[in-house]
Amino acid sequence: QSALTQPASVSGFREQSITIPCTATSGDVGDYQYVSWYQQHPDKAPKLVIYGVTNRPSGVSNRFSGSKSGNTASLTISGLQPADEADYYCSSKTTSSTVVFGTGTKVTVL
Amino acid sequence: EVQLVESGGGLVHFGVPLRLSCVASGFTFNIYAMSWVRQAPGKGPEWISAISGSGADSHYADSVKGRFFVSRDNSKKTLYLQLNDLRPDDTALYFCAKDRNNGLVAALEIWGQGTMVTVSS
Repeated sequence: QSALTQPASVSGFREQSITIPCTATSGDVGDYQYVSWYQQHPDKAPKLVIYGVTNRPSGVSNRFSGSKSGNTASLTISGLQPADEADYYCSSKTTSSTVVFGTGTKVTVL
Repeated sequence: EVQLVESGGGLVHFGVPLRLSCVASGFTFNIYAMSWVRQAPGKGPEWISAISGSGADSHYADSVKGRFFVSRDNSKKTLYLQLNDLRPDDTALYFCAKDRNNGLVAALEIWGQGTMVTVSS
């Protein structure tokens, strides 16, 4: 069973940088190249902020960046703003062509 | 404007089938894979199914395999999800989402507003 583990919560002060890790705990995400990150505000649909580990969709702030090391992908938000306060989910395509979402991280701006 | 609009949700009893629809506009529908993702109240998103742009390939999460069936009518720019053998733990907000590629790359860049399915026992 695929699983992507994230910390339940991460917080930071305005203008600080925070990093959210996403660790694959099973081997069926392959080389982990299809990692995406989503931001979700309350009662809204998720919004894609990073795809393909490091790519940012058009219109997404360059304060959002993605990286990967081994079986851990990470989302970094720099220059933290109040509007960044939301839930964040990683996801990955698996080797069996399914998709798994991470456990989710609540970001709080102090 | 690129848009996805879901419909077809509602309150159903255990075992009663339901069909969800998702109408797309503002992009060339038949060249993009589409997914269905659900989110139970207070929980994170759960991917449940995807279909390629042509409709030739489809994939399912283990939790719905054999009960849910995805299809698309490219002439109508519409994605469907047939929900059979519904159970109370299928209660969720169901989203359709557009992938960035013809095949599944799991980069869901456009989402609808969701349609709520509630299954009572």
